[in-house]
Amino acid sequence: GAGVSQSPSNKVTEKGKDVELRCDPISGHTALYWYRQSLGQGLEFLIYFQGNSAPDKSGLPSDRFSAERTGESVSTLTIQRTQQEDSAVYLCASSLATRPDTQYFGPGTRLTVL
Amino acid sequence: LAKTTQPISMDSYEGQEVNITCSHNNIATNDYITWYQQFPSQGPRFIIQGYKTKVTNEVASLFIPADRKSSTLSLPRVSLSDTAVYYCLVGLNTDKLIFGTGTRLQVFP
Repeated sequence: GAGVSQSPSNKVTEKGKDVELRCDPISGHTALYWYRQSLGQGLEFLIYFQGNSAPDKSGLPSDRFSAERTGESVSTLTIQRTQQEDSAVYLCASSLATRPDTQYFGPGTRLTVL
Repeated sequence: LAKTTQPISMDSYEGQEVNITCSHNNIATNDYITWYQQFPSQGPRFIIQGYKTKVTNEVASLFIPADRKSSTLSLPRVSLSDTAVYYCLVGLNTDKLIFGTGTRLQVFP
């Protein structure tokens, strides 16, 4: 596709439920990143994939968060037993492996936990 | 990973030139300087990148002095639609871009 796509664009869930967020990177981009952004705040790094391996998971806030990637394409971020503090916009970005400083972002998924 | 410092906010009026300066004192030899723009309810968008001297594209110019310890993003003749948060990032050999709080630019009519 022309850009990074994410789905759903909005997700409202109840506390304690699990949610899955999806990211489709730009074709040919082997690097994929997940960030989250709380209202009025800067971006918080969550996890990075190079291909389907995740060499850097240091940003995942708790073991309720996990992510996987199929080959060099789609990635899924899963949040188990959601809490109200998980409410945020979850952003996905992709880049060429050699240029991690040039990332292309998707529109984000706005997660609201009631 | 080079730490960056930039103003928290700036105000301007339509038609004026806006210059946002970013400090990055511990920039490494092979680091590039990249600026992103983020509109409300959207993901950040890459706008310009440079290594040294001056880079210009259709959106902005980037000025980098010889010591590379700072950089200035220049937006010519801003309009209301340039109201956004602007992030300065430094680093190539990293898998983790650190976005600070950026500079919130407000353009008034």
